[in-house]
Amino acid sequence: AQTVTQSQPEMSVQEAETVTLSCTYDTSESDYYLFWYKQPPSRQMILVIRQEAYKQQNATENRFSVNFQKAAKSFSLKISDSQLGDAAMYFCAYRVGYGNKLVFGAGTILRVKS
Amino acid sequence: SAVISQKPSRDICQRGTSLTIQCQVDSQVTMMFWYRQQPGQSLTLIATANQGSEATYESGFVIDKFPISRPNLTFSTLTVSNMSPEDSSIYLCSVESRSYGYTFGSGTRLTVV
Repeated sequence: AQTVTQSQPEMSVQEAETVTLSCTYDTSESDYYLFWYKQPPSRQMILVIRQEAYKQQNATENRFSVNFQKAAKSFSLKISDSQLGDAAMYFCAYRVGYGNKLVFGAGTILRVKS
Repeated sequence: SAVISQKPSRDICQRGTSLTIQCQVDSQVTMMFWYRQQPGQSLTLIATANQGSEATYESGFVIDKFPISRPNLTFSTLTVSNMSPEDSSIYLCSVESRSYGYTFGSGTRLTVV
């Protein structure tokens, strides 16, 4: 079965500092996609970043970057220069191929201190 | 990315009644996904809705409880039937595009009293 594990229920970071959220997954597939979603209190799901498994280069979106370790089945999210607006629930998610469902981790609450 | 309009945004319902949630997409999509997010928890897929065919339900979810309609490529509804307090959750619809990934509706916060 495909599973996604987020081992950090809650994390805190000081404004302007860097924080890393961890995610591991279990799959026997070779072609898959990984995502990080942000859910603020408004409950809107916002795509933060995504990574195709066939790409060796780690994805980057402005202050957000991932450390994708395919052999270790690890997909961590690094947030640099943290801002108050980054405070939210962050979900790691996985899916096999186009048109298939997303499998979500349990989520990590990120608190940003001013 | 696609834009999804989801209605209602929230509702408080009496137990035993039903609520229908609507999702309208601004472009044609083959598949729509319906998720449930129980309080303080992650998202769980309820079913996948293809236009012109019966929805495919995940383990633990049945059509009698969560009937889904998909009359065309831009619209879908999810009904939560014969509600009980355990159905109090956020319900979200989602679509996928090859270029962007998954887009979600803004969610429906349902409270059953």
